[in-house]
Amino acid sequence: KAGVTQTPRYLIKTRGQQVTLSCSPISGHRSVSWYQQTPGQGLQFLFEYFSETQRNKGNFPGRFSGRQFSNSRSEMNVSTLELGDSALYLCASRLTGPTEAFFGQGTRLTVV
Amino acid sequence: QKEVEQNSGPLSVPEGAIASLNCTYSDRGSQSFFWYRQYSGKSPELIMSIYSNGDKEDGRFTAQLNKASQYVSLLIRDSQPSDSATYLCAVNMRSGGSNYKLTFGKGTLLTVNP
Repeated sequence: KAGVTQTPRYLIKTRGQQVTLSCSPISGHRSVSWYQQTPGQGLQFLFEYFSETQRNKGNFPGRFSGRQFSNSRSEMNVSTLELGDSALYLCASRLTGPTEAFFGQGTRLTVV
Repeated sequence: QKEVEQNSGPLSVPEGAIASLNCTYSDRGSQSFFWYRQYSGKSPELIMSIYSNGDKEDGRFTAQLNKASQYVSLLIRDSQPSDSATYLCAVNMRSGGSNYKLTFGKGTLLTVNP
């Protein structure tokens, strides 16, 4: 059974640009969550999608957005990139409800 | 704000010792609890899940849950240098209706010295 797949693995972008990251969940998992991880802040929750609807949202500015498709694949978008957006972005999938979540390998974004 | 707190590290233990990692959470309605291991530069890996009060053992790992005290812990017996990593406590907390949000602590860095 394939795990959670995130693409791309690495990205370098310039301030002001926008970026789209992709996440394919484990087959059968309908919930996809996104997290930002930086050395000082730990894992910060961005948002969760279930059946194409945003179910939970973290405390991030509107520049961070996401969506989920009918096949449960999800994308997150960051517009007008800032240097502080440099981080490891992690996607996690789970079935539904209070079950365990499994992470993808992450996308490391560097903003220069 | 619903939170998960972990004892601040770093924690250093000699090889063969027991490492004890602790976590408290704020939401009494939390349903499930997890420990993840994260090696430097890698993504978190699920190592233990626990859903009910008491102990759950899996190899060298034991998770302990006390819902009355809102406390969950992870014991690693016979610690090995390969156990050196950051350990993240995660709790599924209610976020409205039947929704649950997986909330993480900041993690405890464990170093096992040969």
